[in-house]
Amino acid sequence: DGGITQSPKYLFRKEGQNVTLSCEQNLNHDAMYWYRQDPGQGLRLIYYSQIVNDFQKGDIAEGYSVSREKKESFPLTVTSAQKNPTAFYLCASSTRDMRDTEAFFGQGTRLTVV
Amino acid sequence: QKEVEQNSGPLSVPEGAIASLNCTYSDRGSQSFFWYRQYSGKSPELIMFIYSNGDKEDGRFTAQLNKASQYVSLLIRDSQPSDSATYLCAVNIQHTTDKLIFGTGTRLQVFP
Repeated sequence: DGGITQSPKYLFRKEGQNVTLSCEQNLNHDAMYWYRQDPGQGLRLIYYSQIVNDFQKGDIAEGYSVSREKKESFPLTVTSAQKNPTAFYLCASSTRDMRDTEAFFGQGTRLTVV
Repeated sequence: QKEVEQNSGPLSVPEGAIASLNCTYSDRGSQSFFWYRQYSGKSPELIMFIYSNGDKEDGRFTAQLNKASQYVSLLIRDSQPSDSATYLCAVNIQHTTDKLIFGTGTRLQVFP
């Protein structure tokens, strides 16, 4: 089945550690996105990528890094520079023609700093 | 000004009533508009998308777009308790590259 997979579902991080969230899609989508969601809030864009080996910062990129070495994969690293990383992280993908199609979401990763 | 704005709610409606959810956006170059439903702790799921002025109907849902007023809305007819969720408006903003921007969402409560 085609879809977008995020792992792990739950992640605990000690302060000062970097952690990497995985996002893989087999939908042959060009575009991939990372969003952060805090309780009772909407989705805020962290990074997005329209094509392999290229990505752009979203509204809250500080303290995060990404790579797009393969079309299928768009991992997000939460660095120690991110001061408040506890949140629900959502990865999405879509074709580049967003007029006619939807963004598909993974099931999310809930990150907690302990 | 936020790129996509929604009233956070909660919007409370009785079962069987029409729920009206509204969204405004700031970028006149926006081309396509999406409504997502998100249950607590889950990922968003698409309800409808629209990119032409006017109305688009799908079952109990109607999306309305007015590009001149930079306004998009979602009507839910015959609201059911299972419709209780947060509804997110998303806008595809096109400059040199596309990016999909979400509003903060409106929480809808449908009471029996």
